[in-house]
Amino acid sequence: QVQLQESGPGLVKPSETLSLTCTVSGGSVSDGSSYWSWIRQPPGKGLEWIGYISNSGRTNSNPSVESRLTMSVDTSKNHFSLRLTSVTAADTAMYYCARLIVPADCDVFDIWGQGTMVTVSS
Amino acid sequence: DIQMTQSPSSLSASVGDRVTITCRASQSISTYLNWYQQKPGKAPKLLIYDTSTLKSGVPSRFSGSGSGTDFTLTISSLQLEDFATYSCQQSFSSRTFGQGTKVEVK
Repeated sequence: QVQLQESGPGLVKPSETLSLTCTVSGGSVSDGSSYWSWIRQPPGKGLEWIGYISNSGRTNSNPSVESRLTMSVDTSKNHFSLRLTSVTAADTAMYYCARLIVPADCDVFDIWGQGTMVTVSS
Repeated sequence: DIQMTQSPSSLSASVGDRVTITCRASQSISTYLNWYQQKPGKAPKLLIYDTSTLKSGVPSRFSGSGSGTDFTLTISSLQLEDFATYSCQQSFSSRTFGQGTKVEVK
């Protein structure tokens, strides 16, 4: 059973860089049928897709954060990572990593990590 | 960007009630629509994908329908464990979520 676990600082200062890692267990980030994704949820608000990375390093991201976003995958450590630069209070959210698969015509987030809260504040 | 609008934002219901949640897309998304359930302090869980296909293990009291711009999630007989927030998500063009519908105890 694939499981995902986010890790990273819970507090980031404005204008600095937010860095998170998602460790995959019970499966492999090298799985060619999976896309490793990041999704966030500001307090009391809806979910926002941030982006995904494939095992080969191909990425796709939300235009709203694209210019500030870097994603990477480390097959030796079986994890993938997110870096978001120049953060502001608007980036305060629960950050989830999730697996994106394509079981039918549409793709779906079928497995999620438990989430990690990141607050942007000085 | 495709916007997803859910209605209502919240509803109060009792165990055994039939509950219907609507999701409307700002443009046609064919049947590229998924539904998730989220309980307080927990990550979302996939319930239904491709408009009407139940994820394995999801109770049959959940069903989904629709196409184009209008979609529905129905719970035929609400159970205690179904009180949660439900979100729709489109994958026709990029990926966007609705704002969520909270199902509360009446």
